[in-house]
Order: sequence, then structure tokens, then C-alpha cells
Amino acid sequence: DQQVKQNSPSLSVQEGRISILNCDYTNSMFDYFLWYKKYPAEGPTFLISISSIKDKNEDGRFTVFLNKSAKHLSLHIVPSQPGDSAVYFCAASATTGNQFYFGTGTSLTVIP
Amino acid sequence: DTEVTQTPKHLVMGMTNKKSLKCEQHMGHRAMYWYKQKAKKPPELMFVYSYEKLSINESVPSRFSPECPNSSLLNLHLHALQPEDSALYLCASSQVVSSYNSPLHFGNGTRLTVT
Repeated sequence: DQQVKQNSPSLSVQEGRISILNCDYTNSMFDYFLWYKKYPAEGPTFLISISSIKDKNEDGRFTVFLNKSAKHLSLHIVPSQPGDSAVYFCAASATTGNQFYFGTGTSLTVIP
Repeated sequence: DTEVTQTPKHLVMGMTNKKSLKCEQHMGHRAMYWYKQKAKKPPELMFVYSYEKLSINESVPSRFSPECPNSSLLNLHLHALQPEDSALYLCASSQVVSSYNSPLHFGNGTRLTVT
């Protein structure tokens, strides 16, 4: 039972343009959401997070948006750079729980 | 550089071997995790340790045996594995298990091949 879903396995974007990665979840108890970036042969690296009391969080080129009513979050990368090419995972957790649930990942390719 | 260190980076073992994976963190985190990841799949939780006590075992077969000798170290002992256990094994840590505002920090993983 996949509680966190990333429906786009891959995405290609031109350098300098915006990359938008999407994530949907089913569990209304989730209140903390994270994005991770993973290069081949490395572990996932934490990028940015958002709690359910906010609808937006920014960190440099990365912005995460949360739409609780739609149970949807997105990661915007502006401007996209070739070094951003990686697999991006979203994850969610509930403060009443004790683990994170990961999506299946979206492979982003930024074309120079 | 990752703040969670895993050794070895690669491991090839036969089905009758006994081996161990090691993980170390010095961030003062009190929660440590083992995940298994297959190609094109999300990380799959195996075990969670909170304050050096096992708090979650996600119905993992007994051929995988975790150990947390102290708050900085986490081991995964392997015995009589099957070829389908071949995967990337990731260690992670977080400040606490309650998870709110406490993101996971991952190591680079051990690529395990069972022959």
C-alpha cells in the first residue's frame, strides 16, 4: 500500500528553466514532508522539508509547496542546473508515528 | 561529505557466508535506521533504533540481525542470505524517532551482492 506516490518516473528540463516535481499522499495524518535528492552510488541527501502548518518553504533555488486539501506537494527548482540531474524522492511522516514513507522517485535530467 | 559513514562500500558474499555491515554517525543523533533499496524503488525500512533500543522491526527475516552497540554505531549482521537480498543497504540517523522537524541523514550505503 503506497501511501506516498510520485506519478512521474522521469522529467527532462532545459538548463535555466523551472523543474517541478510532484508528490501525492493518501494519509491525512502526515504532517511533515521532505524532499531528498539521490545521485547514483550515493545515499539520499536531504534537500528541504515543510510542516503541515505551512504551505510554502524556500531554500535558495528550491521551494516546496504543500496543498493539504489536495494531499499534494511539489518541489520547484529555479533555475535548473545540470548538477540537479538526479533522482528525487519525497517522503512523509506523522508526528504520531515513528517512520518515514517514501515515494518511488522521479529521475530529473537537466539538459545543458 | 556524508556525516553518516557506512562500511564496506561494496560486499559480495555467498549464501553460506556471515558478514556484517557497519554504520557510524557523530551528530549526536539518538535514532538510527537500516533501509534496503532496490533499483528504481524507494528505500524500504528494515529496523529502527531509538536510544539504542530496537523500536521497529518491519517483519525482516531473521537472516538479518541488527545491533546497536552504542549511540554512534549501528551494525547489520548477515547470515545465510539469498540472491534476492542483493540490494543497496542504507543506514540513516535522525535527532529523534518522533520525526517532526527531524530529517533523516543517510550514509552512502553498502552495495551488497549475494551469489
